[in-house]
Parts: sequence; C-alpha cells; structure tokens
Amino acid sequence: AQRVTQPEKLLSVFKGAPVELKCNYSYSGSPELFWYVQYSRQRLQLLLRHISRESIKGFTADLNKGETSFHLKKPFAQEEDSAMYYCALRSASSNTGKLIFGQGTTLQVKP
Amino acid sequence: ETGVTQSPTHLIKTRGQQVTLRCSSQSGHNTVSWYQQALGQGPQFIFQYYREEENGRGNFPPRFSGLQFPNYSSELNVNALELDDSALYLCASRKDIGGKDEAFFGQGTRLTVV
Repeated sequence: AQRVTQPEKLLSVFKGAPVELKCNYSYSGSPELFWYVQYSRQRLQLLLRHISRESIKGFTADLNKGETSFHLKKPFAQEEDSAMYYCALRSASSNTGKLIFGQGTTLQVKP
Repeated sequence: ETGVTQSPTHLIKTRGQQVTLRCSSQSGHNTVSWYQQALGQGPQFIFQYYREEENGRGNFPPRFSGLQFPNYSSELNVNALELDDSALYLCASRKDIGGKDEAFFGQGTRLTVV
C-alpha cells in the first residue's frame, strides 16, 4: 500500500530548540519525497524536495531509503516556523503527478 | 505571473444537490489536479487533467467528475452530494505533465454539505 505517515499531530518546541518532524512512507517503487508547509491563512506551498538536496529557511530533509523515512529537521526553531507541515510522495516515473500526503504535523514554536 | 485561483471560497449545499467548483491555473501551466482535504487530514488526490483529458484518478466515485478547458482552467463537479463530501477542495497546477516541476496550490474552496 502507498502511504505516508506522520506520527505526530502536534509538535511544540521553544524558540531556539532543535526541531524534527517525522515522516515515514510505504511505496513499492521509486518515490519522490516532498515537504509542504501551510502558514496561517496561506495556501499550501512547497518547502523542499529530496531531489534538490537544498536547505530552505534552515530546514533540511534526508531521504533514508533503508528506513523509508524523510524527516524534516531544523537546528534552531524560530517563531515564524509555526505552521502545518505535510510530508508527501509522488511516483518518480508516473505522469499523473499524484501526490500522496500524510496527515500533517502542526509545529508550534513558543517564544 | 498569476497564481492558482479558486472560486468560490466557501459554499453551503444540501445533501443530494450538485456543485461545481472552479480553478484557474497558474499562467503557463497545462496540468491541473484536484484534491479533497477533510478536516484534520492531508489532501487526497481526486484526479488530474492534462490537455482537457483526465489523466490519473484517485479512489473517488464517478459522481466526482471534472473538465479542463482550452485555456487550462478547470472545474470539479460533484453530483448527489453526501454529508461526507464536506471538505476543503484544492486545485493544483503544474507547468507540464511528466516533468519534475512542483505543483502550485490554490487557496481552496470550503464546501459544507448539510
């Protein structure tokens, strides 16, 4: 079964603390992995994707095929990071563009 | 460059009615997907349209149908509305099918079925 699991519905940390949002996936093929973010009253937008291997707003994510995970990390959380984060996957070989999303994790960064 | 726009932003319908939701793709994008996001859940893929034809469908019944027009705008139609159809409906456009480009999302239409 194709599935993305985000085990935490809510993650609450203090400003300056490290953050790790967990994402595990189940997929019988070659997936592309993404993190999307939705800030309050804004639309869903791409944060980063594993093929880019970049750091966006201080966030990084490494695809671990052995553990089928794609955890999102940031060493020092900022209050403006508070948002809903969705992990998603897409087939690397399909044209449908279908994204499979996890249930999302709300990140709350307290001052 | 204009972003993805959806209309209306909110609407309320009665069970059994039909509804049409609209989406204008981002300029230059020819591929559009629709997602349903129930409260507390991640978005679920309904279907994708490319060059006015359905290209890929999720696990949704036939009463969910769509159209894509020559200008790449799109509609999602839902017949015989059920209470469980209450959700946020998201439209996302991409530059081209088969590419590695990202999907840009609209702000969504909040549908409430009573």
